[in-house]
Amino acid sequence: AQKVTQAQTEISVVEKEDVTLDCVYETRDTTYYLFWYKQPPSGELVFLIRRNSFDEQNEISGRYSWNFQKSTSSFNFTITASQVVDSAVYFCALSEDGGDDKIIFGKGTRLHILP
Amino acid sequence: NAGVTQTPKFRVLKTGQSMTLLCAQDMNHEYMYWYRQDPGMGLRLIHYSVGEGTTAKGEVPDGYNVSRLKKQNFLLGLESAAPSQTSVYFCASSDRSGISYNEQFFGPGTRLTVL
Repeated sequence: AQKVTQAQTEISVVEKEDVTLDCVYETRDTTYYLFWYKQPPSGELVFLIRRNSFDEQNEISGRYSWNFQKSTSSFNFTITASQVVDSAVYFCALSEDGGDDKIIFGKGTRLHILP
Repeated sequence: NAGVTQTPKFRVLKTGQSMTLLCAQDMNHEYMYWYRQDPGMGLRLIHYSVGEGTTAKGEVPDGYNVSRLKKQNFLLGLESAAPSQTSVYFCASSDRSGISYNEQFFGPGTRLTVL
């Protein structure tokens, strides 16, 4: 069965600090997709990244970077030089290739960036 | 191109009343989903559809029904609302083609309160 665990319920850091959000997943499939979504205070869900199970290359997009390690079933998200606008709830999610595209979400990590 | 839209944005019901939430997408996506979001619980899948005329149960289907009579619309019904159904409801759609393979596009959400 699919499962996504975001052990950090809430994190607070001071602006300009780096912060890493942890995500650990469980799946029996060999082909699967991992996602990160951002939910700012306004409430909408913003897609950040999709990674398939065959691509373990780390990815960097501006101040955001993702570290995918199949050996530890983790897909961690790092924000470098955090800004107040990064304050949001961040969800990690998993979709198995044969699973009707269903996505299972973690419970989210609420990130507070303090000025 | 509006993406995914949801109607209504807010609604207050009394226990026992019924209502239908409408989700519409203009991206010609095959797959559509209904989630509910409760504090500390992340997003949980209620029902989903893999194509026009098909529906399937997700993680928390009890108390809800759905219909997908047209490809672009996915309706979520509450026949007899209960306070436990107070939540924010999100609709999403996805497809298995192109660069957005398996990426779910979310609507803005409907905030439902059942008194």
